[in-house]
Amino acid sequence: NAGVTQTPKFRVLKTGQSMTLLCAQDMNHEYMYWYRQDPGMGLRLIHYSVGEGTTAKGEVPDGYNVSRLKKQNFLLGLESAAPSQTSVYFCASSFTGGAKNIQYFGAGTRLSVL
Amino acid sequence: GENVEQHPSTLSVQEGDSAVIKCTYSDSASNYFPWYKQELGKGPQLIIDIRSNVGEKKDQRIAVTLNKTAKHFSLHITETQPEDSAVYFCAASPVTGNQFYFGTGTSLTVIP
Repeated sequence: NAGVTQTPKFRVLKTGQSMTLLCAQDMNHEYMYWYRQDPGMGLRLIHYSVGEGTTAKGEVPDGYNVSRLKKQNFLLGLESAAPSQTSVYFCASSFTGGAKNIQYFGAGTRLSVL
Repeated sequence: GENVEQHPSTLSVQEGDSAVIKCTYSDSASNYFPWYKQELGKGPQLIIDIRSNVGEKKDQRIAVTLNKTAKHFSLHITETQPEDSAVYFCAASPVTGNQFYFGTGTSLTVIP
């Protein structure tokens, strides 16, 4: 049982380059999330999705776009990477949202923007 | 929105001693409070959670307490072991909405 799988695990970009991070879950979860983790700041929500075809902004959405074309996949895109986007990115999924859900996390993607 | 503060940021204890991590939250509408453990190079994993209709919950060596009046909740780990060494995050989730608000994390080191 793979759970939540993130690809790639590591990536180095130059300023202005674009890339897409892929998150896949095999638990048939409705909700999926993208977080970034920075030293001393904990986990901050970038975007989330409450079902296939839906997306919504989280706490720090600027500079990122997302898509949920299939229930099991949630893509995070950086159109023009900036050094401020250097971070560790985590994807999570849950059956439902709010106070009834348990979020399951992937292992993370470490991104450096030079 | 919700603001979750977590203390301390680092904590070192001798093996066998207890460890306590404290969090406060600002939104009285929050009613779900999970705790996550993150080991080096891995994603956070839920270790225990508590809902606002419960004051305390225990699972073997781990316990969580909640004081809704004071808006704070705490994680207690007893008889600590080296494998408890990790970063621990608290979070709060309001009744409405789909977001978790995380604390800034506590790096726990258990010294053998």
